[in-house]
Amino acid sequence: ETGVTQTPRHLVMGMTNKKSLKCEQHLGHNAMYWYKQSAKKPLELMFVYSLEERVENNSVPSRFSPECPNSSHLFLHLHTLQPEDSALYLCASSQDLRGPNYEQYFGPGTRLTVT
Amino acid sequence: LAKTTQPISMDSYEGQEVNITCSHNNIATNDYITWYQQFPSQGPRFIIQGYKTKVTNEVASLFIPADRKSSTLSLPRVSLSDTAVYYCLVVGHRSNDYKLSFGAGTTVTVRA
Repeated sequence: ETGVTQTPRHLVMGMTNKKSLKCEQHLGHNAMYWYKQSAKKPLELMFVYSLEERVENNSVPSRFSPECPNSSHLFLHLHTLQPEDSALYLCASSQDLRGPNYEQYFGPGTRLTVT
Repeated sequence: LAKTTQPISMDSYEGQEVNITCSHNNIATNDYITWYQQFPSQGPRFIIQGYKTKVTNEVASLFIPADRKSSTLSLPRVSLSDTAVYYCLVVGHRSNDYKLSFGAGTTVTVRA
């Protein structure tokens, strides 16, 4: 248990659906991250938030829309996804964005399948 | 971000010591070496971090030579549950250092 929870753990959605992934951290951290991990590929950083402000949007298609309403919660809104978007979506948090406290704590991930 | 190179895979047996060496030739003065572990279908987990010489915790040891161009993660007496992907990262304090570059990692398979 890392202190970062993600729901749902598994999600199957059609290409015309709209769904949201939720992440919550119970660590009092100031920075939160979304990563995508496709099969046999390294983790790809998607979005970074620091103190609820987005500081990174790593050329992610607009069908992925992040939301950070407060420092403990992070959402990833999904709409009109493609089959190639099927992957493990990981949320992480760290005490600070940079500096000595940047160790990232990851959630268990949401396994997304787009049909 | 300093580029890292590590073996794609390593096989071991229960009770053995596993050493994974990572090369990071262009490491900067302020950079730290950090290792993460990832089990299948889970998020990575921080294992250990060091700057120079040797760091040891309850999970692993990290050896860093004086030139800091490489580092070795040592897992003592591995068990089947240590089968995982191990990532070597170089992390610093520069403006974009929150961008952890995980790479392909080293897949360690422990056999009975």
